[in-house]
Amino acid sequence: DADVTQTPRNRITKTGKRIMLECSQTKGHDRMYWYRQDPGLGLRLIYYSFDVKDINKGEISDGYSVSRQAQAKFSLSLESAIPNQTALYFCATSDLREEGPDTQYFGPGTRLTVL
Amino acid sequence: RKEVEQDPGPFNVPEGATVAFNCTYSNSASQSFFWYRQDCRKEPKLLMSVYSSGNEDGRFTAQLNRASQYISLLIRDSKLSDSATYLCVVNIVGGSYIPTFGRGTSLIVHP
Repeated sequence: DADVTQTPRNRITKTGKRIMLECSQTKGHDRMYWYRQDPGLGLRLIYYSFDVKDINKGEISDGYSVSRQAQAKFSLSLESAIPNQTALYFCATSDLREEGPDTQYFGPGTRLTVL
Repeated sequence: RKEVEQDPGPFNVPEGATVAFNCTYSNSASQSFFWYRQDCRKEPKLLMSVYSSGNEDGRFTAQLNRASQYISLLIRDSKLSDSATYLCVVNIVGGSYIPTFGRGTSLIVHP
């Protein structure tokens, strides 16, 4: 079984709809992240969480919200989806070393299309 | 200036060639660095981590130059299967360590 899972894997929705993307991990890591990837722009950080009680905005948090329901679960919501939120979304987890976050483990991604 | 910069390429090389990519970073306090490989529409996967001056794993060598603030990835004896996008990640210090990705360098290895 995969260490980091994301659901759904693909989603097509309409402008204005509320969407939730879910992420679960079995790595036992405290740190979890949500990224979006657009062609030519690389991965951009939306939100991150260092533990269940900690939520932080990333580079592009506008239009998104998150919930860390448990150490293993981190959900991303689009309250009112818009077409420019069409992208590939990745969840990731990592442990922490003295030098900073260790290797990140990524889920398989959710391809979201907003019409 | 973007915090982590990479040449997007594509680098188009024949099988067997040696190819090198650089990644520059702006925060001199960064202490850990990574190279990830990403195949089209797939999740990134760790290729190498760099915590000191460098790291080597088979045909792949990563080097860190703190004075000039860049890390490099060298691939020797390129294989067709090396074709992918290579992402540089730097843990940026800003109260806490935040992994920051470059936009990636595309490599195409042809027969």
